[in-house]
Amino acid sequence: EDKVVQSPLSLVVHEGDTVTLNCSYEVTNFRSLLWYKQEKKAPTFLFMLTSSGIEKKSGRLSSILDKKELSSILNITATQTGDSAIYLCAVPSYSGAGSYQLTFGKGTKLSVIP
Amino acid sequence: GAGVSQTPSNKVTEKGKYVELRCDPISGHTALYWYRQSLGQGPEFLIYFQGTGAADDSGLPNDRFFAVRPEGSVSTLKIQRTERGDSAVYLCASSLIGQGSEQYFGPGTRLTVT
Repeated sequence: EDKVVQSPLSLVVHEGDTVTLNCSYEVTNFRSLLWYKQEKKAPTFLFMLTSSGIEKKSGRLSSILDKKELSSILNITATQTGDSAIYLCAVPSYSGAGSYQLTFGKGTKLSVIP
Repeated sequence: GAGVSQTPSNKVTEKGKYVELRCDPISGHTALYWYRQSLGQGPEFLIYFQGTGAADDSGLPNDRFFAVRPEGSVSTLKIQRTERGDSAVYLCASSLIGQGSEQYFGPGTRLTVT
């Protein structure tokens, strides 16, 4: 059974701090790793990583995959209160018939205080 | 529409009642997934549709849960004889076939069974 573990489960930082969120995975046939940001209810897609060592970047957010260590990190620099959310890591598990159901970690709840 | 939509946003029902939750995917997305998210957990896979057929229903917890997608677009998740343990946020996601890993989520329906 595929598994995703995220750490820490929660984190409180001050505005302007830099944070690193961790995700480790065990998956039978690795295809990719995805990061989502969840505010209120809807997870919003951030990154999809497929190749080791290649950083994906979007503004103050960046992420990198390490296939040797079976892990990924999500960095947020110069945090703002609007970054407060749950950050979810997921891996697709292919179950046939075109289904790539996502296996999620429990998420990291980030709170940024002014 | 621009994104995945779900109705209702919130649903409160009494134990034993029947509920229907609706999902309208992104136009042109033929793959549709339902997930369930309990408090403090990541979303968990329920069922996958490719077009009109349920290609993978391995995540449905029991036979009280059923889903349809009769015309290959809108999907309805149906729960019979609801139990308090069914209380959760039900999320719908859609993706293009062949790019199944990148799933786009709707805002979810928060179901509360009293």
